[in-house]
Parts: sequence; structure tokens; C-alpha cells
Amino acid sequence: AQKITQTQPGMFVQEKEAVTLDCTYDTSDQSYGLFWYKQPSSGEMIFLIYQGSYDEQNATEGRYSLNFQKARKSANLVISASQLGDSAMYFCAMREPGSARQLTFGSGTQLTVLP
Amino acid sequence: GAVVSQHPSRVICKSGTSVKIECRSLDFQATTMFWYRQFPKQSLMLMATSNEGSKATYEQGVEKDKFLINHASLTLSTLTVTSAHPEDSSFYICSASDREVHSGEQYFGPGTRLTVT
Repeated sequence: AQKITQTQPGMFVQEKEAVTLDCTYDTSDQSYGLFWYKQPSSGEMIFLIYQGSYDEQNATEGRYSLNFQKARKSANLVISASQLGDSAMYFCAMREPGSARQLTFGSGTQLTVLP
Repeated sequence: GAVVSQHPSRVICKSGTSVKIECRSLDFQATTMFWYRQFPKQSLMLMATSNEGSKATYEQGVEKDKFLINHASLTLSTLTVTSAHPEDSSFYICSASDREVHSGEQYFGPGTRLTVT
């Protein structure tokens, strides 16, 4: 079974509008971490935001916020005031407990911001 | 912020030759480094986890003898694609985690685009 599910292969948003990218996860562990990364066409992976499973507040980083709903096992990324430079692939990832600190990635969502 | 470099950024080689890709953590000590492979329009696929001073742990389906990983120091891991073939053409990305960072965030290198002709 997939551990990280991103159901939106592609999304479009008008410049200056907000957009939500969906991510659901599956784990039986109580301690885990959730990440969002942005990958522009250049290929680099850019860290956006992190949410720990025990964090009570939703994480925010500038225009990025994470809508963490633990009971639903969802960790949606909200981008406010979209900019043309936000057009990229977005990946949700989960870190499970263990010394290896491996990340499991979702399939990604290609976001296109329209002028 | 933590910086990971990767070299080369792009390489073209002939079938049957070997290619070495370097991954360096520039401003932190990375006890663990990860190697991923990414095909166009797809997600990152973990190939192996590399721990400093020990043998790498390969994911199921990844050939150890084909993808040689060496993590000789706390700041350097290398991936060698041996006897490369066109099907090895892909985007290879390394990442490193800083053991001082509780979240376990991985810092990614810029990637290496390998083309085997």
C-alpha cells in the first residue's frame, strides 16, 4: 500500500490566488514527520515546510502553510498569493521513526500558475 | 542553511563505461546520505542509504554491483554507475541529513543528469 498519496497529478491556479495541494499518508507509528518539497524544472529539491506528528500547531513558512489533520492522516500544502515562480512539481514526503531517517515520497503534483 | 553539492551536474558517457557522481555536504556533517533516481515526470525513488564508514543499504531491486556507493567521510559520498547502459540514463539526486537537526530534514544536492549513449 502506498504510504504517501498525492491524488492531483496536475493543478492550475491563477496568479495571486491561493491553492491547496493534497497529501494523505499511511502509518501506524505515532512519531513521524511530514515534509513538502518543491522541484522546479531545473531539478533541485527545495524544502518548503515541515510538520511533526506531535506538533499541535499547523506549520507555516511565509506563503506556505500546512493543513495538518492527524485523524484524517492528511497534510495538505496551502500556498497563498500564488506567484508565477511557484510553477513547479511539489512532493509530499514522510519520515518514519528509525535511525535511517528515510523519506518516502508521494507521486507529486505539477502546479502551474497562470498569469 | 545546509548546502549539499553534487558533481557533475550533467554527464554524457558511452555505453559500457563507468561514471562517478560525488555528493558533498558543505557546511555540516552528514552521517547519512541518500541516493535517489528520478525518471521524467515521476517521483524520487530511493536507491540506497549510505552511512559513513559502513556499507550502504540498498533498496530492493537495486543492483549493488552496478551502483557502487562509498561514504568515506562525513562530508562525501560517491555513487559509481558501473558499465553504464542507456537504460541507466536518469536524473540522480543525493541528499544528506544533519544529525543535529531533530526533524530529520534531508538537504538535497542539485542532481546529476546522466545520459548514456
